[in-house]
Amino acid sequence: QQQVKQSPQSLIVQKGGISIINCAYENTAFDYFPWYQQFPGKGPALLIAIRPDVSEKKEGRFTISFNKSAKQFSLHIMDSQPGDSATYFCAASHASGGSYIPTFGRGTSLIVHP
Amino acid sequence: DAGVTQSPTHLIKTRGQQVTLRCSPKSGHDTVSWYQQALGQGPQFIFQYYEEEERQRGNFPDRFSGHQFPNYSSELNVNALLLGDSALYLCASSLGLGTADTQYFGPGTRLTVL
Repeated sequence: QQQVKQSPQSLIVQKGGISIINCAYENTAFDYFPWYQQFPGKGPALLIAIRPDVSEKKEGRFTISFNKSAKQFSLHIMDSQPGDSATYFCAASHASGGSYIPTFGRGTSLIVHP
Repeated sequence: DAGVTQSPTHLIKTRGQQVTLRCSPKSGHDTVSWYQQALGQGPQFIFQYYEEEERQRGNFPDRFSGHQFPNYSSELNVNALLLGDSALYLCASSLGLGTADTQYFGPGTRLTVL
């Protein structure tokens, strides 16, 4: 059973456009929602994260929107650049056994055309 | 400051063999987690080591085992390899167990089982 569902699987946008990736979760115990960016040949790197006590968090061109009642959250990349081309993973976690272990979505391959 | 390092980069094994993957955490980190990332999927948590003990384990069979050394480095061992074990194996390090947002991933070891 997939606890974090991510869509779309792939996304192509033009330079300067807005990239939107959506995720939905099932476990209401989740209380930390990070997004990771992964380039080919590299491990995932934390991009931005949000906790459910806020509905939006913005860092530069990256914004997370969070809807607790719908159990959904999304990543918006404004003014998308070719350098943003990568695979993006949403994740959700909660403290279990004293540590946060993220459950990842299946990923979205983003291509930004120049 | 060296980040998380993993070795080897690539590995090819045949079914039934055993494999050992190695991870050195980011300087100052004492907790190591291992993940399996199948092609086109998000990382899946295998287990986490802290103070040389396995603290948490994901839904993986006993063929997957690990170890953490006094210098915080870690090994992942997989016995009786199956074709389905082919994946990118990621190591992530963090400081302590209770931190949600400071997990750093290495570049991974690509394991191919023939």
